[in-house]
Amino acid sequence: SAVISQKPSRDICQRGTSLTIQCQVDSQVTMMFWYRQQPGQSLTLIATANQGSEATYESGFVIDKFPISRPNLTFSTLTVSNMSPEDSSIYLCSVGQGVETQYFGPGTRLLVL
Amino acid sequence: QKEVEQDPGPLSVPEGAIVSLNCTYSNSAFQYFMWYRQYSRKGPELLMYTYSSGNKEDGRFTAQVDKSSKYISLFIRDSQPSDSATYLCAMGYYGNNRLAFGKGNQVVVIP
Repeated sequence: SAVISQKPSRDICQRGTSLTIQCQVDSQVTMMFWYRQQPGQSLTLIATANQGSEATYESGFVIDKFPISRPNLTFSTLTVSNMSPEDSSIYLCSVGQGVETQYFGPGTRLLVL
Repeated sequence: QKEVEQDPGPLSVPEGAIVSLNCTYSNSAFQYFMWYRQYSRKGPELLMYTYSSGNKEDGRFTAQVDKSSKYISLFIRDSQPSDSATYLCAMGYYGNNRLAFGKGNQVVVIP
């Protein structure tokens, strides 16, 4: 399985600011995914980031709020824009060739005050 | 009705006991059924996946899928304190990379 790292591992931010989360993989992968894990809730897919094309967002998530970059086959960023306390969550990136073999990074723990 | 239901209630068992976890789902299109283990402050780790109905065994772990009942299970035999974690079920189908997750079960194995 791929080795995935995320930066930062945690952060505390003020409302109205933005945070960019980085995801780095140790091998080239076609598909990268960004998930959110809110307290007491299921992991929820935010968007799929494909290299060379725009990200595909799930229902309830928009590009203005969660812009994503995918400059190459080993790296992606997710920005959480204009944050509010409701954005406090764990954000995870994952990679996989198919739905049955997705591997997750360690997550970024975000607290918005 | 939620796509995937997993009773999030914590589960405490003595070391050596069998741990039984389950999920139900509503989307009959699901073909792949996964179990993830998540230790505190870590990302989910893929334990195993099953395609369609049937059983799959991997060491002390056994996954079962009953598509007719839309019900999946994970059994952990001879549980160890190192098995203490949150277990998440997840489902998906070919051609759609979105995983639908349950809320997770926190399992504590008491030495």
